[in-house]
Amino acid sequence: EDQVTQSPEALRLQEGESSSLNCSYTVSGLRGLFWYRQDPGKGPEFLFTLYSAGEEKEKERLKATLTKKESFLHITAPKPEDSATYLCAVRVTGGGNKLTFGTGTQLKVEL
Amino acid sequence: GAGVSQSPSNKVTEKGKDVELRCDPISGHTALYWYRQSLGQGLEFLIYFQGNSAPDKSGLPSDRFSAERTGGSVSTLTIQRTQQEDSAVYLCASSSQGVEKLFFGSGTQLSVL
Repeated sequence: EDQVTQSPEALRLQEGESSSLNCSYTVSGLRGLFWYRQDPGKGPEFLFTLYSAGEEKEKERLKATLTKKESFLHITAPKPEDSATYLCAVRVTGGGNKLTFGTGTQLKVEL
Repeated sequence: GAGVSQSPSNKVTEKGKDVELRCDPISGHTALYWYRQSLGQGLEFLIYFQGNSAPDKSGLPSDRFSAERTGGSVSTLTIQRTQQEDSAVYLCASSSQGVEKLFFGSGTQLSVL
């Protein structure tokens, strides 16, 4: 069975304190790994798609990387507005057009 | 432009009642998804529509759940004889690129008493 595990469940950072969120996956075949951000009371917002090991994507203070068994979302010098739940999802071979999501990492950045 | 719109934003119902949840996707988006988000759990795929193709219903948890998409636009998710375990946030998403980049609505919070 395809599995996506995110860690930590929750993370508290001081403003400017860089860190990384982890998404490990066990799948039959990976067709894409996706990162979304979700604010309270809102739907998830697309951040990145990664397709192959070694690939990296960047957007402002966020950088996503991918290996054959996990992905990292690196947050450099975070600000309070980066506080949100970050979700990882995979699309797998034979899985059609659906995504399998992890349970997310709840990030809080404090002044 | 307008994003994905879902209504109602909140719905409280009694066990055994039927409910209908509505989704208005972004204009021109051919793909439409329904997901369910329960406390402490990841988003759970329910159903996927793509253009005029037969929908992928593989995620519907029971035959009490059904969905339709009229005219390739608005979609309705219907839950019959609701149970307490149906309580969750129901999220709709649309896309012009299949699963590659989904745009989600803010969801309908369903509470079954």
